[in-house]
Amino acid sequence: ETGVTQSPTHLIKTRGQQVTLRCSSQSGHNTVSWYQQALGQGPQFIFQYYREEENGRGNFPPRFSGLQFPNYSSELNVNALELDDSALYLCASSFVGRGAGELFFGEGSRLTVL
Amino acid sequence: AQTVTQSQPEMSVQEAETVTLSCTYDTSENNYYLFWYKQPPSRQMILVIRQEAYKQQNATENRFSVNFQKAAKSFSLKISDSQLGDTAMYFCAFTLGGANNLFFGTGTRLTVIP
Repeated sequence: ETGVTQSPTHLIKTRGQQVTLRCSSQSGHNTVSWYQQALGQGPQFIFQYYREEENGRGNFPPRFSGLQFPNYSSELNVNALELDDSALYLCASSFVGRGAGELFFGEGSRLTVL
Repeated sequence: AQTVTQSQPEMSVQEAETVTLSCTYDTSENNYYLFWYKQPPSRQMILVIRQEAYKQQNATENRFSVNFQKAAKSFSLKISDSQLGDTAMYFCAFTLGGANNLFFGTGTRLTVIP
């Protein structure tokens, strides 16, 4: 099995810009979710995609959006970046039918907004 | 609201000794799953152990076991025979029903001392 891979690993943006983060799910997994982990905090659920549609969303504004592709890779897009968006963004994949909450995480993309 | 509280920001333990990490949670739901995830420095978060709330028997995975007290909404993790590789951030989390959107605590940084 290949693991979950994310790119880029680090990036720096300025306030107001837009960013796209990418994730390649673990082989055989059909669900992907994204989490934001601010410094010193636990991860917070952003949203989840299953069969290329969003099927769950946390308390994040619409400027956080995503896509899931037929090969189960995924993107997280954030528009109009704010300083508070600085965080580690984690992608996690899973398989519907497997144990609930059993997620396989990538190493994350660390975003710094200046 | 669903919340997870980890009251121990940092802990340390001597190699080969036993350590217990605390976690309390709050939900009004009856069907949920509890987890401990481990996040080693600069590495992927991985699932350590999982507990279904409807099961009275405490989950065990090799050196890792939990003490699940449903009435008290407490879910502690015991690590026996601690090893240097156990050094990591440990996050307590839960999810409702069969969903994959996890609610995480703020984590406990565990250091295993040689």
